[in-house]
Parts: sequence; C-alpha cells; structure tokens
Amino acid sequence: GAGVSQSPSNKVTEKGKDVELRCDPISGHTALYWYRQSLGQGLEFLIYFQGNSAPDKSGLPSDRFSAERTGGSVSTLTIQRTQQEDSAVYLCASSLGTARTDTQYFGPGTRLTVL
Amino acid sequence: AQTVTQSQPEMSVQEAETVTLSCTYDTSESDYYLFWYKQPPSRQMILVIRQEAYKQQNATENRFSVNFQKAAKSFSLKISDSQLGDAAMYFCAYFASGSQGNLIFGKGTKLSVKP
Repeated sequence: GAGVSQSPSNKVTEKGKDVELRCDPISGHTALYWYRQSLGQGLEFLIYFQGNSAPDKSGLPSDRFSAERTGGSVSTLTIQRTQQEDSAVYLCASSLGTARTDTQYFGPGTRLTVL
Repeated sequence: AQTVTQSQPEMSVQEAETVTLSCTYDTSESDYYLFWYKQPPSRQMILVIRQEAYKQQNATENRFSVNFQKAAKSFSLKISDSQLGDAAMYFCAYFASGSQGNLIFGKGTKLSVKP
C-alpha cells in the first residue's frame, strides 16, 4: 500500500513569503505528526493530530507556524512570513494511534529553503 | 525533560564487519520505549528496531541488535555483517510513557560503509 507522501519535495521561497506544506498519511492512520530537521540536528517535534484535533500546539516554534488536518486525513503545515531560520526539512509521520506500540511511518519530507 | 544523546557524529565500517552506534538518554521514568531509525539519502526515516524498557532481553532484527543497559541509560545499536546499503544517518529516539506520541530524537550518527 501507499506510504506517507509529502508535497512539495522541495520548496524555495523568499523571506517574508507564506508557504504551505502538505502531508498525506497512510490510509486508516488516525495519528499524524510533524517534525522539523534542521541541518546537523536531530528531529524536533512540532505538533501532532489525533483525528482532526491537535491537543498540544506548544511545540510550534512561533505563532507564524500553524497546522490543520481535515477529514482525518491530509494535513497542511503553514508558515507565514518565512524567515531564513525556517530553512529545514519538514517531516511528517503517521501511525495507527498514539500508543507506544504504534510505529510511526515517515514521509520523505519537504526541504524548505528560505532565501 | 527527557534527552537523547548520540556522541558519535560519524562512524565508518568495512563491508561485512560489525559496528556499534552509541546512544544514551536521560529520564526519570521507568516505563518507556526506545527506537533506532535509519535515514538514507532519500530522507525517509525507517524504523530499524524497537526496545521496551521493561523487557530485559535485548531486541534483535536480523543483522541489527541492541545492547540495552537500563541502569546506565544506554541503548547501543550493533550492525553485523555491514552492507553498503546500511550507509545512512542513524537516529536514536525515546518515546515516553504518557507521551502523546512524539518521539525525542538524538542528533544522529552518520554511518559510512567502505567496500
């Protein structure tokens, strides 16, 4: 079956512009996660969804970041007024649920470059 | 707060040889899960192996095994009979009991395999 897909694969934008990153999880997976991977760093957790609900948004780096999920499926991560420090790979993962036994399956990521 | 430390930014191994990647973590919890993920140049994170903290037996998946030392908070990954396809970034990750599902990652170890 299809895995987690993300689009675009790469995005180059100018400082100050808004960008939208899309994640399409594995069908039937109720949990969806966004992580950010900056150069030379590990993965930083941003936000997760259980269904369409995001119970904890404290991982988002600033109020320029927002995320939504509709229909319990596709999620979009929006970054407004992008800054150069937003340049990173944004990874999405999905799992059946949020239990520790539910493996998180990752997409290939979106590489965002802010000029 | 839980932290994960990978002290080896880069490692190298000869094809067919064995290599061990180190990981230590800090937590006050007694019940948790630990993971090793592999990230090839394609960027897609792949689960390699998982260890449950309450299990004393070390997890094994084919050529991959772990040395889990709970008291020392150490979780190393051993790759036997290394293959060229094992070349990748390897991330150690922690999933806490009671967590809403996010993984806490180390900064990774880049493994090179020499033919």
